[in-house]
Amino acid sequence: SYELTQPPSVSVSPGQTARITCSGDALPKQYAYWYQQKPGQAPVLVIYKDSERPSGIPERFSGSSSGTTVTLTISGVQAEDEADYYCQSADSSGTYLNWVFGGGTKLTVL
Amino acid sequence: EVQLVESGGGLVQPGGSLRLSCAASGFTFSSYSMNWVRQAPGKGLEWVSYISSSSSTIYYADSVKGRFTISRDNAKNSLYLQMNSLRAEDTAVYYCARVRTVPYYYGSVGYYYYYMDVWGKGTTVTVSS
Repeated sequence: SYELTQPPSVSVSPGQTARITCSGDALPKQYAYWYQQKPGQAPVLVIYKDSERPSGIPERFSGSSSGTTVTLTISGVQAEDEADYYCQSADSSGTYLNWVFGGGTKLTVL
Repeated sequence: EVQLVESGGGLVQPGGSLRLSCAASGFTFSSYSMNWVRQAPGKGLEWVSYISSSSSTIYYADSVKGRFTISRDNAKNSLYLQMNSLRAEDTAVYYCARVRTVPYYYGSVGYYYYYMDVWGKGTTVTVSS
């Protein structure tokens, strides 16, 4: 089955750059999406189609893709960015569509 | 304001049934596919089921296939998840999410990409005796 692999945790100091990676064999063929989830809250989409940012998401959030790895970059990290981040992609053919999530990365702002 | 509100969660015994609902407002519900996604306590997100805007296409995760049924009523702007034969491992917060379906072309071949752009706050299902 298709899997996405994320590091369990990433720690950065305020103002630094955080990079969260997500690896999966199908990522060269499928777009990736990133969701931010703060404790007790629903997930929020922060990046779609590898690198597009929805309206209302701060410019410090960006995404990139290279081969089997996609990366969420948060530049100038702020305390409010502390959250769990999930990558997501799709395993699809003409007869099925399966959404797959990475295991999540806890971003700690020191 | 675009909003999704889940309801119907609660405590149920193993083997029991529960029906979740998701009320949509602030957008044309009948134009969007929808997903159910769940999150077990302290765990990550797990996709559960998908339904297209007209209900013509439905998919399930292997973990719930044959036990859960997704449906929708576009006249009532509502999405449902009928959950039967519940197990302890179905204990989770269940979210409904709006699915954006976007066409694109790779060369001359057309494809779609899908993502979830609006989520509800979730409803909690606990399966325990």
